Amino acid sequence: EPEVTQTPSHQVTQMGQEVILRCVPISNHLYFYWYRQILGQKVEFLVSFYNNEISEKSEIFDDQFSVERPDGSNFTLKIRSTKLEDSAMYFCASSARGGYTFGSGTRLTVV
Amino acid sequence: AQKVTQAQTEISVVEKEDVTLDCVYETRDTTYYLFWYKQPPSGELVFLIRRNSFDEQNEISGRYSWNFQKSTSSFNFTITASQVVDSAVYFCALTNLVRSGGSNYKLTFGKGTLLTVNP
Repeated sequence: EPEVTQTPSHQVTQMGQEVILRCVPISNHLYFYWYRQILGQKVEFLVSFYNNEISEKSEIFDDQFSVERPDGSNFTLKIRSTKLEDSAMYFCASSARGGYTFGSGTRLTVV
Repeated sequence: AQKVTQAQTEISVVEKEDVTLDCVYETRDTTYYLFWYKQPPSGELVFLIRRNSFDEQNEISGRYSWNFQKSTSSFNFTITASQVVDSAVYFCALTNLVRSGGSNYKLTFGKGTLLTVNP
């Protein structure tokens, strides 16, 4: 069964550093997403991406965040200058008309 | 705006008991999908079921069953004869079915219910 692959599974970074979280969505899906889950809380929508551009973003997704699909297969989330409160699990997902698939997540710890 | 409410924050049962996890949703859309996901301690989101708004038939899969009632906007999940391996956080989620106004099928999650099954 097709999978969404996320790397790395864990990342520890120092406050103020830039991080890039990587995802390989399912190849024939058209919609790509990033979600965030702070420890012990619910999963929250960050951004959706369609047709090589952001189609919707939440108020969490401020100027520190950016997304790219650099080569037609990878889908990345960049956090420019990490803060302690960015520590969370980040999930990538892709969908095709409501059929949703999540990756296994990247646990980001900012110290 | 869409909203999913899981009023039960934590539930604790003894193995072999049946347990029902509640989910109530709000949406102005007439077509939508509802989901249940399981999140074990390892952290990944495990897909359990997707139900579209056109289909109110209840579904059973092994020890799992789902009761979808449009009249009360509820999509409850029952585990029969619970097992220790069922211990996890369970999330209910909602997305619109038809892409309109840039909605892009984003999922709105409830806050989750932590289920602990004790031996």
